[in-house]
Amino acid sequence: GAVVSQHPSRVICKSGTSVKIECRSLDFQATTMFWYRQFPKQSLMLMATSNEGSKATYEQGVEKDKFLINHASLTLSTLTVTSAHPEDSSFYICSAGQGGNQPQHFGDGTRLSIL
Amino acid sequence: SQKIEQNSEALNIQEGKTATLTCNYTNYSPAYLQWYRQDPGRGPVFLLLIRENEKEKRKERLKVTFDTTLKQSLFHITASQPADSATYLCALPHANNAGNMLTFGGGTRLMVKP
Repeated sequence: GAVVSQHPSRVICKSGTSVKIECRSLDFQATTMFWYRQFPKQSLMLMATSNEGSKATYEQGVEKDKFLINHASLTLSTLTVTSAHPEDSSFYICSAGQGGNQPQHFGDGTRLSIL
Repeated sequence: SQKIEQNSEALNIQEGKTATLTCNYTNYSPAYLQWYRQDPGRGPVFLLLIRENEKEKRKERLKVTFDTTLKQSLFHITASQPADSATYLCALPHANNAGNMLTFGGGTRLMVKP
């Protein structure tokens, strides 16, 4: 089946640090990748949609300058949390889609903890 | 705007029983609906997709129904096992879907006791 690899799985860093998270589709080409944020016991909240070769589309309330997304190839999208602060601590999950009504394939998430 | 509701309270059942989870939606007529399983600290895993013209879909011990009149989907796990314990999410295509963007429900946590 389709596999999505997300790295790193856990990050603990000081306030003010920028953190980059990678999302790779290992055995298929993903025309679209999605970035979600999930707080404890809550559902996935879509942050942005990333399309290869074009600018990401951000959901309302998500700061594009805070959460930089780069989708350089059909198999790699990165999310950079710039100048992270404690309120940015969360579980970030990426997924890759192949369009239409196909299911999304999720990475295993990145637990980000900002001290 | 579209709204998806799942029972936020955990569902506790005995091993061997059938678990039934509910997903209700409003302000929308989706072409399909998907169900995912999420284990703690992991990303969701796709389980089943059911289209609007399908009443029922089965996969091994899983069964999903889709009632477009009631705007409801039911997710059943028969002969439940402790390993089925997880959070189950329903997801609908985004109302302004230009790809396969999904909107997720809040999920229902299932606990199967041995």
